[in-house]
Amino acid sequence: DQQVKQNSPSLSVQEGRISILNCDYTNSMFDYFLWYKKYPAEGPTFLISISSIKDKNEDGRFTVFLNKSAKHLSLHIVPSQPGDSAVYFCAAPSEYSGGGADGLTFGKGTHLIIQP
Amino acid sequence: KAGVTQTPRYLIKTRGQQVTLSCSPISGHRSVSWYQQTPGQGLQFLFEYFSETQRNKGNFPGRFSGRQFSNSRSEMNVSTLELGDSALYLCASSTLAGLSYEQYFGPGTRLTVT
Repeated sequence: DQQVKQNSPSLSVQEGRISILNCDYTNSMFDYFLWYKKYPAEGPTFLISISSIKDKNEDGRFTVFLNKSAKHLSLHIVPSQPGDSAVYFCAAPSEYSGGGADGLTFGKGTHLIIQP
Repeated sequence: KAGVTQTPRYLIKTRGQQVTLSCSPISGHRSVSWYQQTPGQGLQFLFEYFSETQRNKGNFPGRFSGRQFSNSRSEMNVSTLELGDSALYLCASSTLAGLSYEQYFGPGTRLTVT
């Protein structure tokens, strides 16, 4: 059973506009979330994270929002740029480690396409 | 600092064979995790090593195994390969386990089983 879900396999956004990528989770024990970005033929690259004690974390054009009551987080990219076209994964520390740093449970990813 | 390196980058094997993949973590990183990425299942955690000990294992059969050496380099082995083992295998390293959730990934090894 997937504990981290990204229900949109793909998303197309015009350059300069805001991209919003969504992620839902089922395990209320998760207390930390990460977003990774992946280009073809490369490994995922860490983008931004958020601890459950916060509801927002911002880093430049990237902001992650966490709604614990809804078990939902979202990644906002503004303004969107062509180089942002990639697959974005939401992740949380794995159930196997009891919430430690030892393994991550990933969503299936959302392919973001930035249109010129 | 050099990133995580994985060798080989591409591999083609026949069903029933075995394969060994190698991962060199970022210098100073003692935790190494392995993941399998397939189109249908996404990224799935295989196992994690810290100081030469396997600390955690995902839900994969015993055909999947690994080890870590004293220099933190890690190898992953898959025996009796099946067609369904065709995937991108990713290695990730991190610093002090328990203090950082951020993992740094290598480019992966693309395994094709025919």
